[in-house]
Amino acid sequence: KAGVTQTPRYLIKTRGQQVTLSCSPISGHRSVSWYQQTPGQGLQFLFEYFSETQRNKGNFPGRFSGRQFSNSRSEMNVSTLELGDSALYLCASSGGQGFTDTQYFGPGTRLTVL
Amino acid sequence: AQSVAQPEDQVNVAEGNPLTVKCTYSVSGNPYLFWYVQYPNRGLQFLLKYITGDNLVKGSYGFEAEFNKSQTSFHLKKPSALVSDSALYFCAVRNSFSGGYNKLIFGAGTRLAVHP
Repeated sequence: KAGVTQTPRYLIKTRGQQVTLSCSPISGHRSVSWYQQTPGQGLQFLFEYFSETQRNKGNFPGRFSGRQFSNSRSEMNVSTLELGDSALYLCASSGGQGFTDTQYFGPGTRLTVL
Repeated sequence: AQSVAQPEDQVNVAEGNPLTVKCTYSVSGNPYLFWYVQYPNRGLQFLLKYITGDNLVKGSYGFEAEFNKSQTSFHLKKPSALVSDSALYFCAVRNSFSGGYNKLIFGAGTRLAVHP
């Protein structure tokens, strides 16, 4: 099975712009979660989508949003970019059926905000 | 609050020697524990998980982890380290109190350096 894919791998934006990141889960997986990784804050949960519905959300401002399509692909959007949004954004997929599910991560999108 | 601690920022070990990367957790209820590894410019790769049952869990690439409920620990181990094991290792926990099915709470990570 193909793994989780994320596009683009690298992105450079300027403050105030917006950005959209894409994630394609493992075939058959219905849950997609997003995480932000920074040197200072480590790995932090952004949100999770399951069957096109946001099921869970972390403590991030409303500038961070996402959606999931009927084929389970997911996008996350960050509006009005700030310098502090520079990070590695990781997407993870799983079957989404329970706490024992394993999440499988994609390679990430490295976002740099100038 | 649910939390995971990885007390060592870096672990250094000689190739061929056993390695241990430490993890302790603080959660309400039963924990589901995970170890992931991250190589430079890569995402996280799943190594192993503890759900229930045998306290010794075996995973990928010769890694294993021991769950100790009384010490609230889940240390990652490998009998003989390889230079290629050098990477960043993350411990994570999830349960019904962590805020949702797929909300993993991660430790800060431990950098493992294996020297030839």
